[in-house]
Amino acid sequence: GESVGLHLPTLSVQEGDNSIINCAYSNSASDYFIWYKQESGKGPQFIIDIRSNMDKRQGQRVTVLLNKTVKHLSLQIAATQPGDSAVYFCAENMGYGNKLVFGAGTILRVKS
Amino acid sequence: NAGVTQTPKFQVLKTGQSMTLQCAQDMNHEYMSWYRQDPGMGLRLIHYSVGAGITDQGEVPNGYNVSRSTTEDFPLRLLSAAPSQTSVYFCASRVGQNYGYTFGSGTRLTVV
Repeated sequence: GESVGLHLPTLSVQEGDNSIINCAYSNSASDYFIWYKQESGKGPQFIIDIRSNMDKRQGQRVTVLLNKTVKHLSLQIAATQPGDSAVYFCAENMGYGNKLVFGAGTILRVKS
Repeated sequence: NAGVTQTPKFQVLKTGQSMTLQCAQDMNHEYMSWYRQDPGMGLRLIHYSVGAGITDQGEVPNGYNVSRSTTEDFPLRLLSAAPSQTSVYFCASRVGQNYGYTFGSGTRLTVV
């Protein structure tokens, strides 16, 4: 079932390095996945999505990888910038109920 | 397009009071949802709707009611506010099942 973390893990990276944020999703029937970015005091912003019939999708500086065998999703950010500092959430669409359920989130801190 | 508009932005309620959080979207999206976000945590789904006249419960529906009489509006009603409902509430809409949600800017609710 769905769970909410009691605290958010933090990933600290140096400006210019690549970042990898991981997410374990809960339901093998989920058919669509999204990564969101949330800056302090704002609503989540869509970054990139992937459907369950794909295992990789690339956007501008971002790549999402999907491993259905182990129910794992990752977000790779190339050449991380200070403006990438935010909380990142993965979300899974539970097809049978059309519900979009969020994971607990990861804080990304970019050091200059 | 204004996108997803939430009102009010801030609200303080006394325990036991009721109120309605308003949400409107002008993108003709069929799907709408309400989420709550507690400090340092992820977003939890309260209720969602896949079209006018159709609503369903999410992960944490107790203490909240919704209705969807039009495509544009999806109000969230707190029946009898409790301190445990202190949170930031986000409304979101999307065009269909395998699409990302667009989020409003949130309503910060404090129940004393």
